[in-house]
Amino acid sequence: AQSVTQPDIHITVSEGASLELRCNYSYGATPYLFWYVQSPGQGLQLLLKYFSGDTLVQGIKGFEAEFKRSQSSFNLRKPSVHWSDAAEYFCLSNFGNEKLTFGTGTRLTIIP
Amino acid sequence: NAGVTQTPKFQVLKTGQSMTLQCAQDMNHEYMSWYRQDPGMGLRLIHYSVGAGITDQGEVPNGYNVSRSTTEDFPLRLLSAAPSQTSVYFCASREGQGFYGYTFGSGTRLTVV
Repeated sequence: AQSVTQPDIHITVSEGASLELRCNYSYGATPYLFWYVQSPGQGLQLLLKYFSGDTLVQGIKGFEAEFKRSQSSFNLRKPSVHWSDAAEYFCLSNFGNEKLTFGTGTRLTIIP
Repeated sequence: NAGVTQTPKFQVLKTGQSMTLQCAQDMNHEYMSWYRQDPGMGLRLIHYSVGAGITDQGEVPNGYNVSRSTTEDFPLRLLSAAPSQTSVYFCASREGQGFYGYTFGSGTRLTVV
């Protein structure tokens, strides 16, 4: 079955440290993949997306993600996190159809 | 500002009551959809529409109705509210094909007592 998995429910990172959030998908072809961020009490904002081409995708707020077909992964990275990055992060795909499938989310906590 | 507008932001219902969550977008997007967000479960698709007059079910459609009479509006109706429908509801729209990003509303927090 098509699915998106975010293995880490909660991650804590020191301010200024690097960040990697994991996302794996299960699908027979290359899906359309997205990363969204949700700040507390807010809606979801698109960070970046991938559907073909260069496997390293640059997004907003200094985030990037790398698509790895061999690992069925689309991990989100940031070289140096800021306190304002504390939020919940969702990896999603529509697997080429109209039904958007979400991962369960990773909550990011930043410590001073 | 262009975007997806959801009303109300908060609502408390009694079990058995009905209500409509409103969603409107001013970007002329053909695709619109409703999700519910529950702790530890991410967001799950309730219903979606690929254009005016066309709707289809998502992953968790039971207890909800939708209609799409105009491109701009996509209301979600709870027919007889149940405590299990306590959740945060998000509406989203999309321009064109699936590889475009989705624009989300700010959500409606619904509590059913």
